[in-house]
Amino acid sequence: SQQGEEDPQALSIQEGENATMNCSYKTSINNLQWYRQNSGRGLVHLILIRSNEREKHSGRLRVTLDTSKKSSSLLITASRAADTASYFCATDQNTGRRALTFGSGTRLQVQP
Amino acid sequence: ETGVTQSPTHLIKTRGQQVTLRCSSQSGHNTVSWYQQALGQGPQFIFQYYREEENGRGNFPPRFSGLQFPNYSSELNVNALELDDSALYLCASSFSARGTDTQYFGPGTRLTVL
Repeated sequence: SQQGEEDPQALSIQEGENATMNCSYKTSINNLQWYRQNSGRGLVHLILIRSNEREKHSGRLRVTLDTSKKSSSLLITASRAADTASYFCATDQNTGRRALTFGSGTRLQVQP
Repeated sequence: ETGVTQSPTHLIKTRGQQVTLRCSSQSGHNTVSWYQQALGQGPQFIFQYYREEENGRGNFPPRFSGLQFPNYSSELNVNALELDDSALYLCASSFSARGTDTQYFGPGTRLTVL
């Protein structure tokens, strides 16, 4: 079963615009991670935010976490055509289960 | 690119057959997790190995089995293949007994069951 749900399912923007993706989850978590996947290949880790953190930055990426609303957002600023990919949030649930639970992803298309 | 490799890249099997997929972890990592990703979906956790022992399992039947070797490489075996087993199979390695910190994914094996 999928814990996280990303919104929107698909997003198309122009190069230079910002892209915002949202993730909601159902259970309490230890951390939440964002991954990127190009064309059905392996996932690339982007950023990890722990449950006691509210915001984190990495280059053009900004992630926020609201544990009271069980939601997170990923902002990509000044997007580039090379950012075109699927983006997944994954949660480390606070259940002792030794696995990440992924959402169904947001497909981002950046038009040059 | 991560240091995680998987083989083969693509595989075509028929229903009822058995398949073995292989994964080589990133150097220094002692935990390997396997995920199944159906088309258009997010990855689903199959199981995890830590220091050669199964360390957690998702909702997959026993015909999905695995091994981890002393060099921390790993195999995923699937018996009695079904059409729904067609998917991208991803392995991920990490250096964490918990196995849920940053994971480094391989490029995946695309399995098609006819």
